[in-house]
This record gives sequence, structure tokens and C-alpha cells, in this order.
Amino acid sequence: KQEVTQIPAALSVPEGENLVLNCSFTDSAIYNLQWFRQDPGKGLTSLLLIQSSQREQTSGRLNASLDKSSGRSTLYIAASQPGDSATYLCAVANQAGTALIFGKGTTLSVSS
Amino acid sequence: GAVVSQHPSWVICKSGTSVKIECRSLDFQATTMFWYRQFPKQSLMLMATSNEGSKATYEQGVEKDKFLINHASLTLSTLTVTSAHPEDSSFYICSARDLGERIEQYFGPGTRLTVT
Repeated sequence: KQEVTQIPAALSVPEGENLVLNCSFTDSAIYNLQWFRQDPGKGLTSLLLIQSSQREQTSGRLNASLDKSSGRSTLYIAASQPGDSATYLCAVANQAGTALIFGKGTTLSVSS
Repeated sequence: GAVVSQHPSWVICKSGTSVKIECRSLDFQATTMFWYRQFPKQSLMLMATSNEGSKATYEQGVEKDKFLINHASLTLSTLTVTSAHPEDSSFYICSARDLGERIEQYFGPGTRLTVT
């Protein structure tokens, strides 16, 4: 059974810092991996999707890497801003078109 | 981009009543929709997979007679929480899979259910 773990559970940093969020999954036979942002009481915003054949994806200040063989992904946020404060969720799809399996998330707080 | 809506965005109901939540794909057709539940400080957990024109597939531990799912068209799936109890209070989120070649899922904004 696929399990997704995110470390750390919470993170507080001052504005401007570069930071890394970690995600690990137990079964390396995934179809894709996705990073989401969730603001308190709100739905999900898709940030980056990495197909199993890809190593990384970038969008603005965000960079996500995938090492499928070791069951790991990292989300790198450059020059963090207070507006980045949110919970970041990692999720994997084991097969095309199947439901996502989510980690518990990392709650990020960026202070000005 | 593809848009998925949910209605209502929040609802408060009394214990013992039933509540219906709608999930709509606004600009694409979705043969498959997924229903997730998120308790406070927890992650999203899949409740059921809804396929248009057929019965939903429920995850282990989810009561199919309590959480009724109807996927009557390619753009609408409904989740009805029957005889709701306070422990059903949660954040319910749906996602829809594009019928086209893309297999990415699009998430709705969620529905906050509070049972008093």
C-alpha cells in the first residue's frame, strides 16, 4: 500500500530564505507526483506536476525534483515571501487516472 | 484551465439530517470523479471513486449507505451524507478527471460540513 510522508510537518522561516520541503513515498512505481498548496479552510492549488519519466519541474520560484528510484521528491522555494505561508501537500498517483495519495503536508510560515 | 466547482461551499446541519454536495466540471467532461475527505490537521483521504453511469467504488471503511454518490452525467457528481452525525463534520473535496487525453485531475474548492 502506497504511503506518502512529508517532512517537516511545520516550518517557520524569515522572509527571503530559500527552503526545501521533503516528500517520500514507499512504492516507487508511481505514475506521477504533484505538489499542491492549500490555504487555511480552502481548496487545493496545483503547483507542479512531475511525470514519472521526468526529474524536475520549475515554475517561477518553485522547483520540484523527483527521484523515483529512491522514492523521494523535494520542493524548493527560492526567496520565500510571507505570501508563501500555507500548507504544502505532496501527492502521488500510482497509475494513470487513479486517485491521488496525499501526504499530511508541511505547514510553512514565512515572517516579514 | 479546467474548472471544477462545488456547492455549497459550506453547510451547517443538525444531527440526523441529510446533506447533498454537488461537484461539477464546468468546461470539460469527466467520466471519473473522486471524493476526498479532510479532517482538521490531517491530509486528504480518498472516500470513493465515482464513474459516470455506474456505481461508485468506495474505499475500505467508508459506508456506502451513509455516503451516497450519484454520477448521473459527465459534468455532475453528487455526494449525499445521510443521517449526518457530528463525527461527519469535515472538509469534503472532489476532483474530476478530464475525459480527453490529459489525465490530470482538477480539484474543486471544497465544502465545509459542520454537523451540530
